Order: sequence, then C-alpha cells, then structure tokens
Amino acid sequence: NAGVTQTPKFQVLKTGQSMTLQCAQDMNHNSMYWYRQDPGMGLRLIYYSASEGTTDKGEVPNGYNVSRLNKREFSLRLESAAPSQTSVYFCASRPDRGRYYGYTFGSGTRLTVV
Amino acid sequence: AQSVTQLDSQVPVFEEAPVELRCNYSSSVSVYLFWYVQYPNQGLQLLLKYLSGSTLVKSINGFEAEFNKSQTSFHLRKPSVHISDTAEYFCAVSDSGGSNYKLTFGKGTLLTVNP
Repeated sequence: NAGVTQTPKFQVLKTGQSMTLQCAQDMNHNSMYWYRQDPGMGLRLIYYSASEGTTDKGEVPNGYNVSRLNKREFSLRLESAAPSQTSVYFCASRPDRGRYYGYTFGSGTRLTVV
Repeated sequence: AQSVTQLDSQVPVFEEAPVELRCNYSSSVSVYLFWYVQYPNQGLQLLLKYLSGSTLVKSINGFEAEFNKSQTSFHLRKPSVHISDTAEYFCAVSDSGGSNYKLTFGKGTLLTVNP
C-alpha cells in the first residue's frame, strides 16, 4: 500500500547509545518531515527536507541529525541518546505545492531511552 | 511565525451528544487550516482542511469546521458523536504562500466518548 513506512516501530536505548530511525515514502513526494510527539506538547518539528538534497532545522533540532538519502528516504539519527529524547517519532511527507497541502504520516516509532 | 491554541486538552462527552473542539490560531499571513485525528497507537490522519472558498468544510464521517477569519478560529464540531470517535484531535496551521511547507500543530484535544 502506498504511504509512509517507518522502522523500527519500537526501540529501547541506553543513554549514550546511537541509532537511526528510518522513513520511506512511495508517493513521489518532495517534502518530508520528522516530528516528535510528547504528552501535552502536541507535535513538534525536528527537521524537514523541502526537496532531495536539502534539509533544515525545525523547532527542536538539538540532539538530532538527518539525512535525505534520496527522494524516497529521510532518516533521523540520534548520536548520543538522552532520556529527554524518549518520545514517539513521526515521519511525514507532502506533495508539491498545489491546492492539497495535507501531510501523510507514518505510524510512528516509539523510542524509550533509559 | 504561526501558533495554534487548542483551548481544551480533554473533552469527555456521552454518545450521541454534540461536541465542539476549539482551535484558535495566530498568524501574520494568510493560512491554511487542518484538523488531524489520531486513534490510539496510530499515526495522524487528515480529517478535514480549509484552503480557500467556503468557510464551512466537512469530513466524510460527520465532522465539520468553520473558518472564522475575524476570530482567527477553526472550531471542529459534530452534532452527534459515536464511541468510535474517541481519539485525539489536532488542529494545525500552515501559511498559504512562499516556501514555508511546515505545519504547526496545537497540543491536541483528547475526545472521550462514553456510553
């Protein structure tokens, strides 16, 4: 089925460990996003990529890096995980500029840092 | 920069009762407005959107929202809710021009429908 695929779905890390969250979309969307969701905080933008080859910081980029590997894939890396990065991470993509501006979201990665 | 305020963090209602989830936004430019729904342990799904034209927009499952520019609001309503409407609802805003492709979300409203 067409959509946004995130892996893994669940992960437990120890403080200081590193990991990469993977995201891929098969809808030929140019723009991709990483959000984190915390209780009572809504969704906050970590990084985004308006097109292949470009990335920009969002609201809460500290402690994260991203790679737009190609048009389909946009990965999020935690170099040295901290308990404050315990969260649910969502990847999203959107079509090019046009009348329809809605995002398509993945099902999320639930990350716990102990 | 835009911001979104969802005035209620939790809204409990009984089945078949009407409900309104409130959303106000702040922006210095013209905006697009969205409501997303998140069912437990799932990602977000687009419920409805306002881009231009008629200020009243409707979803296929009976929700509607009205864009009120003077009050900078985009409240979500349903005349009769079902148990299956239990979910968290997020209001979001994006500017309507330029190169800003980012959505800004509110903190969410948890709608709980009780039998």
